[in-house]
Amino acid sequence: AQRVTQPEKLLSVFKGAPVELKCNYSYSGSPELFWYVQYSRQRLQLLLRHISRESIKGFTADLNKGETSFHLKKPFAQEEDSAMYYCALKGGSEKLVFGKGTKLTVNP
Amino acid sequence: DVKVTQSSRYLVKRTGEKVFLECVQDMDHENMFWYRQDPGLGLRLIYFSYDVKMKEKGDIPEGYSVSREKKERFSLILESASTNQTSMYLCASSFRVGTEAFFGQGTRLTVV
Repeated sequence: AQRVTQPEKLLSVFKGAPVELKCNYSYSGSPELFWYVQYSRQRLQLLLRHISRESIKGFTADLNKGETSFHLKKPFAQEEDSAMYYCALKGGSEKLVFGKGTKLTVNP
Repeated sequence: DVKVTQSSRYLVKRTGEKVFLECVQDMDHENMFWYRQDPGLGLRLIYFSYDVKMKEKGDIPEGYSVSREKKERFSLILESASTNQTSMYLCASSFRVGTEAFFGQGTRLTVV
């Protein structure tokens, strides 16, 4: 079974502080992992995916197969980072499942 | 620019009505998905389709069915709407392998 766990419903940090949004997954095969973001009143959109190993808007995420984690990190949070963040996993059957999401608030 | 368009932004229906939610994408994507989004529960997959006329159940298919007669269109059907189906419904589409899913703007359905 595919499962994604985001343990924090809410995360609040101050501007300029580091931020880490946690994601753990359960899947027996080789997963594709993604982070999606939903800003207020906007569509859900892709932030980054593990196969690209890229940094988007200062965010990075590393797949740790040993710990089955894909945590999202940013060294210096900005107010415009405030949003809902979802971790997602795609397994071999094209099934794409999401976690429950973490609402990030960056305070001035 | 990829477009995933859901037919309605807001919908109010009565208990017991048959409800159709329509989704159209213009990028020739093979995969299409229907989710419901509820506070504290995140996105839960209802059904997905990886080809025309092909469908697979997601994690919460009860009370729903889907139809995909054409590649660009994926319909979600509530056979007999109930109040616990009041939710935000999101449609998404993607190519098969290793690519992102593009989402529609969502349909907020209220069943009274």
